[in-house]
Amino acid sequence: DAGVIQSPRHEVTEMGQEVTLRCKPISGHDYLFWYRQTMMRGLELLIYFNNNVPIDDSGMPEDRFSAKMPNASFSTLKIQPSEPRDSAVYFCASSLLSSGRGNEQFFGPGTRLTVL
Amino acid sequence: EDKVVQSPLSLVVHEGDTVTLNCSYEVTNFRSLLWYKQEKKAPTFLFMLTSSGIEKKSGRLSSILDKKELFSILNITATQTGDSAVYLCAPIQGAQKLVFGQGTRLTINP
Repeated sequence: DAGVIQSPRHEVTEMGQEVTLRCKPISGHDYLFWYRQTMMRGLELLIYFNNNVPIDDSGMPEDRFSAKMPNASFSTLKIQPSEPRDSAVYFCASSLLSSGRGNEQFFGPGTRLTVL
Repeated sequence: EDKVVQSPLSLVVHEGDTVTLNCSYEVTNFRSLLWYKQEKKAPTFLFMLTSSGIEKKSGRLSSILDKKELFSILNITATQTGDSAVYLCAPIQGAQKLVFGQGTRLTINP
């Protein structure tokens, strides 16, 4: 089992540029989550999907952030335009509600984003 | 507003000591509470607690939940340097939404 896969692992960009983060959840999982982690704010949920449908996007900071899940094996988080305050580690996680431990979320390795 | 408070925020002990990490929460539609360990990479799952008063154990780690007083504790006995990490508490709100605390940074000195 490959686990949750995220790309890129590191991204350095300049303010104003568009950034796209990618996630492949564990095969068969029906929930996908995007988190952001910073020293100041800790780990925050941005948005989550169930069966490819966005359920709760109340954590998305502003309109510059958007997320899609076109199919069960792929999701993107896009920031346009990026700003220095977006610098953080972005995690993707997935889970399978019908499993015995349905609330356990499996995290990907994260993407470290630096916006200059 | 949902709130999760972990204490202490930072803890430094010697190898072999026993530590207790605390998590208090106020979360609407509470279902369960999860503990995660985060070293330099992604959080990894430790425990899920759903019922009050039932201790879960895994080796030197144990955890318990009190749904009346709205808190959980994580105990680590006979600590080792490999236990050094940030420990995160995350109550579940509703079906699947985790609300993370700030974490406790635990450092074990040899």
